[in-house]
Amino acid sequence: DQQVKQNSPSLSVQEGRISILNCDYTNSMFDYFLWYKKYPAEGPTFLISISSIKDKNEDGRFTVFLNKSAKHLSLHIVPSQPGDSAVYFCAASASNTGKLIFGQGTTLQVKP
Amino acid sequence: EPEVTQTPSHQVTQMGQEVILRCVPISNHLYFYWYRQILGQKVEFLVSFYNNEISEKSEIFDDQFSVERPDGSNFTLKIRSTKLEDSAMYFCASSRSLGGGELFFGEGSRLTVL
Repeated sequence: DQQVKQNSPSLSVQEGRISILNCDYTNSMFDYFLWYKKYPAEGPTFLISISSIKDKNEDGRFTVFLNKSAKHLSLHIVPSQPGDSAVYFCAASASNTGKLIFGQGTTLQVKP
Repeated sequence: EPEVTQTPSHQVTQMGQEVILRCVPISNHLYFYWYRQILGQKVEFLVSFYNNEISEKSEIFDDQFSVERPDGSNFTLKIRSTKLEDSAMYFCASSRSLGGGELFFGEGSRLTVL
């Protein structure tokens, strides 16, 4: 039951360019969405989140866009840096539960 | 900066043995979680815990699993009789609120069942 999908297993971009990571969801009850970054052998680290009442949230180089009608969200990283290379997980939750449903992850490689 | 800590970082055990994974959540957080990630797969929810009882659990969290908050700081996951397929990274997480807030994850405990 893949309620949260990240269809691109990997993405490679040049340093300084924009990285766009995509995520789709199916459950209309989800009203809070998060992006986590994960390095090998470490726990997921929170990056940025967005509530379903917004369509955009920005924090420094990271911006998350939410398109509720399409059940789609994306994470933009501008400019991309080599230190951004990691696995990025999209996650979703409903307000009546703290449970996060994660996507499969997208491995981002930023080349110098 | 406060963080979630987990021990051990890696445990190797024989099939059928009991394992206890330990976590110290962030001190002012009220909600606690266990997730796991089997190698190459997505991070999966196991269980959430609030006010000394299980709030929600997944179908993975069967009778072989249990959670406990034995004192004011520790949060443990016990697997009574480990199976080969229990081999995974187990992540503890905590949050201040239920829904609408981010979960803070620990570094994980790698469990290898032989």
